[in-house]
Amino acid sequence: EAGVAQSPRYKIIEKRQSVAFWCNPISGHATLYWYQQILGQGPKLLIQFQNNGVVDDSQLPKDRFSAERLKGVDSTLKIQPAKLEDSAVYLCASSSTGQRNTGELFFGEGSRLTVL
Amino acid sequence: AQSVSQHNHHVILSEAASLELGCNYSYGGTVNLFWYVQYPGQHLQLLLKYFSGDPLVKGIKGFEAEFIKSKFSFNLRKPSVQWSDTAEYFCAVNAGGGKLIFGQGTELSVKP
Repeated sequence: EAGVAQSPRYKIIEKRQSVAFWCNPISGHATLYWYQQILGQGPKLLIQFQNNGVVDDSQLPKDRFSAERLKGVDSTLKIQPAKLEDSAVYLCASSSTGQRNTGELFFGEGSRLTVL
Repeated sequence: AQSVSQHNHHVILSEAASLELGCNYSYGGTVNLFWYVQYPGQHLQLLLKYFSGDPLVKGIKGFEAEFIKSKFSFNLRKPSVQWSDTAEYFCAVNAGGGKLIFGQGTELSVKP
């Protein structure tokens, strides 16, 4: 079974530039998550999708971050404009159990963003 | 608000030593608890999980964890660590609706 795919693996940009990350979840997984992991910290949820609808985006800095999952499969996370504090690994995860999801997530390898 | 606290930021052990990593959570409802591991250069993967029933759960590679409801704890243990256990370990709680709240992680270094 193919895992969660993410790209790019690494990205270096200057502050105020924009960046986009892509995620393709495990086939058939209805729920998709984007997490931000800052060095030395645990992952923090940014947004959760159920199919193509947003379940929770309460921690997403909406003035600069946006995410979409238009067809209920793959997803993109965009940052515009980037700030120095956005330097982090952006993790995508998916899970299969829908509304009664007990929280077992499958993670991709992450996209490491460095903002200079 | 829900939170997870891991007691140690960095643990250094010699091979064959016993391991216990502390995890405490703050959540008022029914909990599902997890330990995830991230080996160097790899993605986060599930080590073990507690949903209900026997509070002592066993995971992969000889790891186990005990859920103590009265202490709001879910500590991870292994009787004898190996060099290959070098990794970062994250405790997490399901805060409802499938959302996981993670602790800050514990980096384990095992000296050969």
